[in-house]
Amino acid sequence: AQSVTQLGSHVSVSEGALVLLRCNYSSSVPPYLFWYVQYPNQGLQLLLKYTSAATLVKGINDFEAEFKKSETSFHLTKPSAHMSDAAEYFCAVSRTGGGNKLTFGTGTQLKVEL
Amino acid sequence: DVKVTQSSRYLVKRTGEKVFLECVQDMDHENMFWYRQDPGLGLRLIYFSYDVKMKEKGDIPEGYSVSREKKERFSLILESASTNQTSMYLCASRSPSGSRVRSGELFFGEGSRLTVL
Repeated sequence: AQSVTQLGSHVSVSEGALVLLRCNYSSSVPPYLFWYVQYPNQGLQLLLKYTSAATLVKGINDFEAEFKKSETSFHLTKPSAHMSDAAEYFCAVSRTGGGNKLTFGTGTQLKVEL
Repeated sequence: DVKVTQSSRYLVKRTGEKVFLECVQDMDHENMFWYRQDPGLGLRLIYFSYDVKMKEKGDIPEGYSVSREKKERFSLILESASTNQTSMYLCASRSPSGSRVRSGELFFGEGSRLTVL
């Protein structure tokens, strides 16, 4: 069964610093992988997705993620954090079989400090 | 833009009450989902509907039921609310046709925060 593990439930960075949010996946077949963001009091929004077309995926707001099969990772990065990036971030993997349902990680809360 | 609307942002109910959470989407999507979100547990799938009157259990269906009488509306029902059902409930929709089918992009509502006393 597919699953994802997000390392670090809370990450704190300074404004302007590099953002790195970690996600490792487990899948017996080539996975589809996603990053979603949830701003306070809102639903989730798609940041980016990997569907095997390219290993480096660019998303909205200068976020990007690199699919590394050898490391079974799909870490999310942003070169320079902004205060508005403070949110909770979820990694997700698409399951095989029936409905393409997603399995979500437990989330990483990103705090951006001045 | 796709809009997924959840009828109630905040609800407070008492143990044993029947609770209805309503979700409406405006993009003619076949697939709709109900997730539950709890701190430290992420999102867990409660039920999934792939068409009108069609439903499938997710990972944590116990204590919940759903209704999909019309394509745009997917309701989550708590027959007898319990305190351990206090949570944030998120509805989502996705179309199975076109370029997004295999990409699995979900569109979420803003959530319904339920407190059961």
